[in-house]
Amino acid sequence: DADVTQTPRNRITKTGKRIMLECSQTKGHDRMYWYRQDPGLGLRLIYYSFDVKDINKGEISDGYSVSRQAQAKFSLSLESAIPNQTALYFCATAPGGELSAYGYTFGSGTRLTVV
Amino acid sequence: EDQVTQSPEALRLQEGESSSLNCSYTVSGLRGLFWYRQDPGKGPEFLFTLYSAGEEKEKERLKATLTKKESFLHITAPKPEDSATYLCAVRQSGGSNYKLTFGKGTLLTVNP
Repeated sequence: DADVTQTPRNRITKTGKRIMLECSQTKGHDRMYWYRQDPGLGLRLIYYSFDVKDINKGEISDGYSVSRQAQAKFSLSLESAIPNQTALYFCATAPGGELSAYGYTFGSGTRLTVV
Repeated sequence: EDQVTQSPEALRLQEGESSSLNCSYTVSGLRGLFWYRQDPGKGPEFLFTLYSAGEEKEKERLKATLTKKESFLHITAPKPEDSATYLCAVRQSGGSNYKLTFGKGTLLTVNP
């Protein structure tokens, strides 16, 4: 099984619908992140969490919310999806301390299309 | 605000033709520069972390170097399987934050 699992892998939804993207990890990392990737814009940080009680906004959090249900689970919600939220979404985890030198571990991504 | 700029946006090489990718950055107090490889439809995979000017890391045909303003990813005698997008990221400075700011990447294509 993958260290960082994202579900669903692909999703098409309609404008105005609420949708949740889920991320679970078996790495035992405290730090979890949600990024979106758009052609020509690269990876941009949406939200991040350093432990279950710590949630922080990233550079593009408008229109999104998150929930850290447990150390291993971090969900991203689009309350009312709009077409410009069509993108590839990645969840990532990171260890603390000296192990932070190994960087993030990314999931395989969720390709979301809002029509 | 931290900024990361990668060049070129795309690079096409013949197999065996060595070259370099560039990542320039502006950050107040670098706490790590990271290189990742991303294959189409997949998440980025960690390659290297560099911390201080003069540091070098190697892995197979790849070598990453770091100066005070930029990092280079040197690709020696590339093979078609090295084709991918290469991403550079810097660790956000200040406090105990551990967030990475990414460049837009360089799409490398190696033709046989």
